[in-house]
Amino acid sequence: DAGVIQSPRHEVTEMGQEVTLRCKPISGHNSLFWYRQTMMRGLELLIYFNNNVPIDDSGMPEDRFSAKMPNASFSTLKIQPSEPRDSAVYFCASNVAGSSYNEQFFGPGTRLTVL
Amino acid sequence: AQSVAQPEDQVNVAEGNPLTVKCTYSVSGNPYLFWYVQYPNRGLQVLLKYITGDNLVKGSYGFEAEFNKSQTSFHLKKPSALVSDSALYFCAVRGISGSARQLTFGSGTQLTVLP
Repeated sequence: DAGVIQSPRHEVTEMGQEVTLRCKPISGHNSLFWYRQTMMRGLELLIYFNNNVPIDDSGMPEDRFSAKMPNASFSTLKIQPSEPRDSAVYFCASNVAGSSYNEQFFGPGTRLTVL
Repeated sequence: AQSVAQPEDQVNVAEGNPLTVKCTYSVSGNPYLFWYVQYPNRGLQVLLKYITGDNLVKGSYGFEAEFNKSQTSFHLKKPSALVSDSALYFCAVRGISGSARQLTFGSGTQLTVLP
């Protein structure tokens, strides 16, 4: 099992540019989560999907952020336009919705730096 | 709303000494509790989990945690710390119904084991 796959692992961009982060969940998992981790705010849930449908996006900071899940094996988190305060590590996680354990499996993260 | 508190941002302990990382929680109904560990430049991974049954849960790398319902606590412990245990530790809780079924993470505790 390859685990949750995220790309790129590192992204450096300039303010105002569009950034797209990608995630491939574990095969068979039907829930997908996007988190952001910063020193100041810790680990924040941005949005999660069940069966490719966004369920709760209340954690998305503002309209510059958008997430899609066009199929069960792929999701994107897009920031347009990016700002320096978006610099963080972005994690994707997946699990089987409704399972008793609800344990989430995390990807290695994408470290985003916006200059 | 459910919540998790990790009162210590940083815990330092000498190698070979016992360690404790504290966690208290608030959730409606019976909780499912998790400890996640994050090594530098890595994603989070589950260390141990309490679903039901024995209040003392044993996990990976010699860690254990005790579920205390009356004190709503789930402290992480290890009898003898190793330098390689140095990492960021997150406590997480989920409820059993509705929106509470999603994980809520604590703010994290940085554990440093000194040689």
